[in-house]
Amino acid sequence: QSVLTQPPSVSAAPGQKVTISCSGSSSNIGNNYVSWYQQLPGTAPKLLIYENNKRPSGIPDRFSGSKSGTSATLGITGLQTGDEADYYCGTWDSSLSAGVFGGGTKRTVL
Amino acid sequence: QVQLEQSGAEVRKPGSSVKVACKASGGTFITYSISWLRQAPGQGFEWMGKVVPILNRTHYAQNFQGRLTITADKSTSTAYMELSSLRSEDTAVYFCARGEFSVFDPWGQGTLVTVSS
Repeated sequence: QSVLTQPPSVSAAPGQKVTISCSGSSSNIGNNYVSWYQQLPGTAPKLLIYENNKRPSGIPDRFSGSKSGTSATLGITGLQTGDEADYYCGTWDSSLSAGVFGGGTKRTVL
Repeated sequence: QVQLEQSGAEVRKPGSSVKVACKASGGTFITYSISWLRQAPGQGFEWMGKVVPILNRTHYAQNFQGRLTITADKSTSTAYMELSSLRSEDTAVYFCARGEFSVFDPWGQGTLVTVSS
């Protein structure tokens, strides 16, 4: 049972836009930065977004992040088949004094 | 550009211990935290703990208190994760990653630890 809640899957056609939600509480998302990770099958995760909406160098601006209250959202525009992966949100939980993650969202191409 | 290289897959019996290595190259090791996370089959990530090599300070998640030891060898730029009293539920891919809180970048390639009698 993950501390953060994500939808199990999202689907969209190539070229379209998709959003992935991440819901938490005041002890985690509500008072801490959110990061997003992409995990391609059989590989290590890659940091896509940090501090709610910042992109590391090399991450295209097709990927965006936002946060409002105790929820965060990852947006992906101009979907490509290479974007088929699992996406995870993560943050710090001040009550648990530990990093916490969502259960992951599988993004598939229609 | 820092790269993290982890040691190979391990198979252990219930009740035993496992120690996984994470060697950093291509960048500064001691000034960043190294965190350990794990991913059970088909599951999300679980943050286990971290070490700050320059301070030799550690912080562990409550779930692993008493069973987990994370160390860092500054002379070889290598971090270690040792988990004891293994049970079948500890079967997972274990990752090291530079960073702390929620920002982990980069990650090691992962080490599969299988606990089976």
